[in-house]
Amino acid sequence: GAGVSQSPRYKVAKRGQDVALRCDPISGHVSLFWYQQALGQGPEFLTYFQNEAQLDKSGLPSDRFFAERPEGSVSTLKIQRTQQEDSAVYLCASSLARDRGLNQPQHFGDGTRLSIL
Amino acid sequence: KNEVEQSPQNLTAQEGEFITINCSYSVGISALHWLQQHPGGGIVSLFMLSSGKKKHGRLIATINIQEKHSSLHITASHPRDSAVYICAVRPPGAQKLVFGQGTRLTINP
Repeated sequence: GAGVSQSPRYKVAKRGQDVALRCDPISGHVSLFWYQQALGQGPEFLTYFQNEAQLDKSGLPSDRFFAERPEGSVSTLKIQRTQQEDSAVYLCASSLARDRGLNQPQHFGDGTRLSIL
Repeated sequence: KNEVEQSPQNLTAQEGEFITINCSYSVGISALHWLQQHPGGGIVSLFMLSSGKKKHGRLIATINIQEKHSSLHITASHPRDSAVYICAVRPPGAQKLVFGQGTRLTINP
């Protein structure tokens, strides 16, 4: 498809397990973002990649959260030793590189709904 | 206090009514986005604006930079407009978006 693809759509894990969430951005999109959306709230920024470089990880809530984009395309968000408060929808978005100061829209995937039991 | 505040949090209206959703922000911005989120999570970008007004079909978005305020209007609302509408701003020099908490809109037939 032409859009941002995330997998799995739903993930249930027991507290303490590690999980990995995948994002396939739109082909050619340089920028990739991860957001966390708690129930009933707006999304909150986690981390940002430009190509394979992780330029901003200020939103990652703890060192249990790790994101990578080794070849500048697919990205994986990993959460180690999951806790119940990690339950949320994890959204991935991609955009073309910022060009001469013009803002580019972000295209969102459908998200991965993570439930920690 | 959140950097981006939306009002109302919930809005229920009858089909055909004129809808207004408000967004106020406290930070400098390079752009403001209006997004639509349907049940199931998918987010669609409706508008990106940094000044003035934009119109697309029955949707109109306005922004007042001096007052740090934006509005999203829906004319002749329809039940299919029922969704969560989210305002998000991009701080200057940053790529990330800062989101409001969303407005849940329900249009009854």
